[in-house]
Amino acid sequence: DTGVSQDPRHKITKRGQNVTFRCDPISEHNRLYWYRQTLGQGPEFLTYFQNEAQLEKSRLLSDRFSAERPKGSFSTLEIQRTEQGDSAMYLCASSSAGGFAGEKLFFGSGTQLSVL
Amino acid sequence: AQSVTQLGSHVSVSEGALVLLRCNYSSSVPPYLFWYVQYPNQGLQLLLKYTTGATLVKGINGFEAEFKKSETSFHLTKPSAHMSDAAEYFCAVIETGANNLFFGTGTRLTVIP
Repeated sequence: DTGVSQDPRHKITKRGQNVTFRCDPISEHNRLYWYRQTLGQGPEFLTYFQNEAQLEKSRLLSDRFSAERPKGSFSTLEIQRTEQGDSAMYLCASSSAGGFAGEKLFFGSGTQLSVL
Repeated sequence: AQSVTQLGSHVSVSEGALVLLRCNYSSSVPPYLFWYVQYPNQGLQLLLKYTTGATLVKGINGFEAEFKKSETSFHLTKPSAHMSDAAEYFCAVIETGANNLFFGTGTRLTVIP
């Protein structure tokens, strides 16, 4: 168990640029989640995959946000035309099958995005 | 819809003193409740959870929480604070019919030597 890995740890970009973050879940976990955390707030749910299927995406913040998990393993979160309000920590989490979704999440350390 | 409210964004205790972090929930159905901890520069980690059964649940590192339906509370306690307990603590609830956790705004615990 090597834990949930996120890359990069930090990303600085200029407004209007596109950014992509990667998440590698714990290998045997079939559920993968993306959250966003801003200063002074708790993590805010964005989207969720079970294997390669994206089962919930209505919470993505706008159509500039998209996520994929093409082979049911790693996932990417892309933000197009970034805005300063997108500056936040983006967290990835995974969990195993069984139990109810969200029962025990293992979180990565996050990607800190700064939009200048 | 479910939600949680954490009272006190910052709590300071002396080393060896009781830790009490407050969480109240709002739910029209029996909730599933969680406490997660975030140590500096680390990912969130599950401390404990309440689903069904015993209302007093024990977690890692000596923490426990009691589900009190009459008070709609799920406060986190630890009898004796240790310096290593300094972290941010999040209460969370499963959104019924959803596949995600709804987190509170967090409480930052400082332990004073």
